[in-house]
Amino acid sequence: DQQVKQNSPSLSVQEGRISILNCDYTNSMFDYFLWYKKYPAEGPTFLISISSIKDKNEDGRFTVFLNKSAKHLSLHIVPSQPGDSAVYFCAAGGTSYGKLTFGQGTILTVHP
Amino acid sequence: DAGITQSPRHKVTETGTPVTLRCHQTENHRYMYWYRQDPGHGLRLIHYSYGVKDTDKGEVSDGYSVSRSKTEDFLLTLESATSSQTSVYFCAISQTPTNYGYTFGSGTRLTVV
Repeated sequence: DQQVKQNSPSLSVQEGRISILNCDYTNSMFDYFLWYKKYPAEGPTFLISISSIKDKNEDGRFTVFLNKSAKHLSLHIVPSQPGDSAVYFCAAGGTSYGKLTFGQGTILTVHP
Repeated sequence: DAGITQSPRHKVTETGTPVTLRCHQTENHRYMYWYRQDPGHGLRLIHYSYGVKDTDKGEVSDGYSVSRSKTEDFLLTLESATSSQTSVYFCAISQTPTNYGYTFGSGTRLTVV
């Protein structure tokens, strides 16, 4: 039972345009959501997070939106840059011991 | 940055042999986690630790065991490796249970032949 789902395996965008990555979850006990970015041959790195009491969090070019009623979150990258090309994982926490449940990942490719 | 290191980085092993992967941290963080990454599955939690000698199972723990005899080291053992355990293994550390901004190691690519 996949509690966190990223239904788009890949996304391709042009440099300078907006990238929108989506994530759905099923467990209403999750109260914290995060996005991680992963380059090949490296570990994932934390990108941005949002608590369930908020609906938006912004950090520079990155904005995460949370729609609790739809159990949906999205990551917006504006403007997209070629260096943003990576695998993006959404994750959810709030059960116990700081455990995170990850989605399958979305490969983002930003073309120059 | 060397706050967390995994060894080995790559390993090829034969079916049926035991394998131990090591995670070493210099951050004195209480919480440590082992995840595996597989195509189509993302990152799945194998085992985690919330203190020295305190460990518990994650969602894909069958065939794996862990040990944490000191704060800085978290060992993952494949008791009898199978081809289904071919994967990339990541260790992560966290200071508190509400700090989800994990620091991940660089991963161990394990191939079971």
